[in-house]
Amino acid sequence: DIQMTQSPSSVSASVGDRVTITCRASQGIGNWLAWYQQKPGKAPKFLIHGTSSLQSGVPSRFSGSGSGTEFSLTISSLQPEDFATYYCQQANTFPLTFGPGTKVEIK
Amino acid sequence: QVHLVQSGAEVKKPGSSVRVSCTTSGGFSSYAINWVRQAPGQGLEWVGGIHPKFGTPNYAQIFQGRVTITADPSTGTSYMELASLRSDDAAIYYCVRLTGGLYLDYWGPGTLVTVSS
Repeated sequence: DIQMTQSPSSVSASVGDRVTITCRASQGIGNWLAWYQQKPGKAPKFLIHGTSSLQSGVPSRFSGSGSGTEFSLTISSLQPEDFATYYCQQANTFPLTFGPGTKVEIK
Repeated sequence: QVHLVQSGAEVKKPGSSVRVSCTTSGGFSSYAINWVRQAPGQGLEWVGGIHPKFGTPNYAQIFQGRVTITADPSTGTSYMELASLRSDDAAIYYCVRLTGGLYLDYWGPGTLVTVSS
């Protein structure tokens, strides 16, 4: 199975800050990576596929980059509604595997 | 517009089984339905899935022998049954639509399964 790791596990930031989350795969997955946002008590929301393609309706302050084994999600200017937990997921092969999550908290 | 509606919360005893349903609106037979669980305060864990058109399920190894996922195209409903429940099976179980690129695009609201004696 492909193992996914994320760093940091949590980050404290202020509105307007730039935040970057890193995701690493235990083996190369090309660009087959997704990002999800989850708010407390809610189902995850699909944000990004193919490493960098934003889903319809996702604000442009979100961006993704990387390839192979190292990826990142950047929020260019954090907004109040962005405080949530973010998960990466490899979409290269079954079994689907997720990173452990990064919680973005208010500073 | 795609909507996934899941069955209600369940309370089960250790050793018993639970069956959770997920009814999809719009294009049920065109996409695989997968199941992802989330234990309290924990991350996301893929359980398995099925494509209604092809019918062959795919399971995570750790659930092999305990989980059965089925799909009924006539009703647009997928079912996930987990047997021999343990306390660590307590979680929210989400049904999710899987795209052709193995991305999970539409999520159901989740079904809370509590395992308690």
